[in-house]
Amino acid sequence: EVQLVESGGGLVQPGGSRRVSCAVSGFMFRSHWMTWVRQAPGKGLEWVASINPDGGDTWYGDYLKGRFTISRDNAKNSLYLQMNSLRVEDTAVYYCTRDNLNARDLWGQGTLVTVSS
Amino acid sequence: QSALTQPPSASGSPGQSVTISCTGTSGDVGGYDYVSWYQQYPGKAPKLMIYEVTKRPSGVPDRFSGSKSANTASLTVSGLQAEDEAVYYCSSYAAYKKLLFGGGTKLTVL
Repeated sequence: EVQLVESGGGLVQPGGSRRVSCAVSGFMFRSHWMTWVRQAPGKGLEWVASINPDGGDTWYGDYLKGRFTISRDNAKNSLYLQMNSLRVEDTAVYYCTRDNLNARDLWGQGTLVTVSS
Repeated sequence: QSALTQPPSASGSPGQSVTISCTGTSGDVGGYDYVSWYQQYPGKAPKLMIYEVTKRPSGVPDRFSGSKSANTASLTVSGLQAEDEAVYYCSSYAAYKKLLFGGGTKLTVL
């Protein structure tokens, strides 16, 4: 069964750090670009970052200003998002997605990161 | 980079057709045939409905169709059904290694 399972969400204080993870199964993880998309409560979808199959090429939303880092471990079939200098406005559900067909064809269930004091 | 522009709401009666627009620029929607559309129910993850402007993934009903003209892409839902009531998002690749989403359109089946 194809699955993307995010973990690592929770409550973080402003200025803090958090790493969210995505465990992948059921398809050849090492062959696909992967992307993180987030959704603030009651808001729309926002692209966060994308990474190529070998991890050597990464794309980021301009608004992040270097605070987040996307990475992957193909041996562990896992995708990561390291988030530093977190702000209240980073509060969102973070979705792990597979890139295929020049789109995001598979989505995880999401993990909620809440930034609050 | 700004989000793509979608109307906040759309509606139609069962059996009717509804079209949702997604407007960008020549640097995103107009410059690439990589527009995709997603359906999202409350509390659920989005689902891919259309990719590469006009193509449907396996399992998506043929009532859903996509098109593009210049800098505006469109999603048409024909023969509206109650289960089509959801929020729809467009997305496009953009210049300089970027990905954009629209603000979302809430489709109501009257």
